[in-house]
Amino acid sequence: SAVISQKPSRDICQRGTSLTIQCQVDSQVTMMFWYRQQPGQSLTLIATANQGSEATYESGFVIDKFPISRPNLTFSTLTVSNMSPEDSSIYLCSVQGTEAQPQHFGDGTRLSIL
Amino acid sequence: GQNIDQPTEMTATEGAIVQINCTYQTSGFNGLFWYQQHAGEAPTFLSYNVLDGLEEKGRFSSFLSRSKGYSYLLLKELQMKDSASYLCACMDSNYQLIWGAGTKLIIKP
Repeated sequence: SAVISQKPSRDICQRGTSLTIQCQVDSQVTMMFWYRQQPGQSLTLIATANQGSEATYESGFVIDKFPISRPNLTFSTLTVSNMSPEDSSIYLCSVQGTEAQPQHFGDGTRLSIL
Repeated sequence: GQNIDQPTEMTATEGAIVQINCTYQTSGFNGLFWYQQHAGEAPTFLSYNVLDGLEEKGRFSSFLSRSKGYSYLLLKELQMKDSASYLCACMDSNYQLIWGAGTKLIIKP
């Protein structure tokens, strides 16, 4: 399966600032996704990153808060904007080759907001 | 609505067998996935079932019954390293994954 590099692996940020998380894949993939995982809970899909067009956001997530870029088939970024302590979580990118294939995850970004 | 149910936590003994159940209700069905997630790590893919029956992969097997909306993950010869959360995820008609809350498996010596 594809090798997925996600950076940073962790960060501690001040309230009101923004952080951009990068996800790099070593091969072209059709689909890339961004998830959030609160401690002890399951995965919540934030959005599907679409190559060359605006991301598709899930209910409860908006572009102003979580802008996403996907300039090509191997790279995507997620920005967490104007952070508050409620944004403290693990953020994960995942990739999927075709629709019926499994998703594979990056190592995640552990984000803490003070 | 769409829903995935799995037990919150299970405990088993090293060397034994454990079965983790998952029931689902989704809009359409394009397969069921099991993932393993160790504490502090990302989920890793374990198995995929789209047809009824049992898929065996070493110590791990996964079963699917589409008519019952039911799957289970069977872990044999349990090892301490199998202590992890196991996530059941169902792919709906739009090929979107619907995730269960995960089952935390505790292995005791």
